Amino acid sequence: DAKTTQPNSMESNEEEPVHLPCNHSTISGTDYIHWYRQLPSQGPEYVIHGLTSNVNNRMASLAIAEDRKSSTLILHRATLRDAAVYYCILRDGAYGGSQGNLIFGKGTKLSVKP
Amino acid sequence: EAGVTQSPTHLIKTRGQQVTLRCSPISGHTSVYWYQQALGLGLQFLLWYDEGEERNRGNFPPRFSGRQFPNYSSELNVNALELEDSALYLCASSLGGRIMNTEAFFGQGTRLTVV
Repeated sequence: DAKTTQPNSMESNEEEPVHLPCNHSTISGTDYIHWYRQLPSQGPEYVIHGLTSNVNNRMASLAIAEDRKSSTLILHRATLRDAAVYYCILRDGAYGGSQGNLIFGKGTKLSVKP
Repeated sequence: EAGVTQSPTHLIKTRGQQVTLRCSPISGHTSVYWYQQALGLGLQFLLWYDEGEERNRGNFPPRFSGRQFPNYSSELNVNALELEDSALYLCASSLGGRIMNTEAFFGQGTRLTVV
């Protein structure tokens, strides 16, 4: 499986932007970059995903490097409710690819200070 | 629309017993994933089913098994329970088949305690 590397933990102040980095130097051409987060005592929830272009949705933005070997999840204004473990995952979008699996790494634990 | 549902939400079993956990995916989703999350640890991938077939299996012993039914619901079976099997078992579903670039949705999990 393709691997991702994330910092173990990060801290942010409330109402400030947060940039969560992810390295994926072995990414293949058909791998999509997915982000999930897991709030305390809950199952993971989808945040955003993309292939090559930057993506925006109501929760966050995803900035993808031109060579696709790294990406950054951007939370524009962190709130206390954003405190969670954030996972960056590569998922193969090619039909029949075994990498279409969802393998979670250790993620980044984000703490938000009031 | 109903999300991913798992049953039961909690259960307590004795070491050596067998347990079956159930997962109903979101309507229209054909892929189901199972994960184990021990307390305070990350998600360990167990099994992935897509359109009724096992597509991938994580590094777990054979006493962990499962299946996917024609309606795409799924069961996870664990035989000969051990104390270290105590964990939250999470199920996720997504569109599958030829549509592999979409998001997955998780259930709230089944908390298994082995005593």
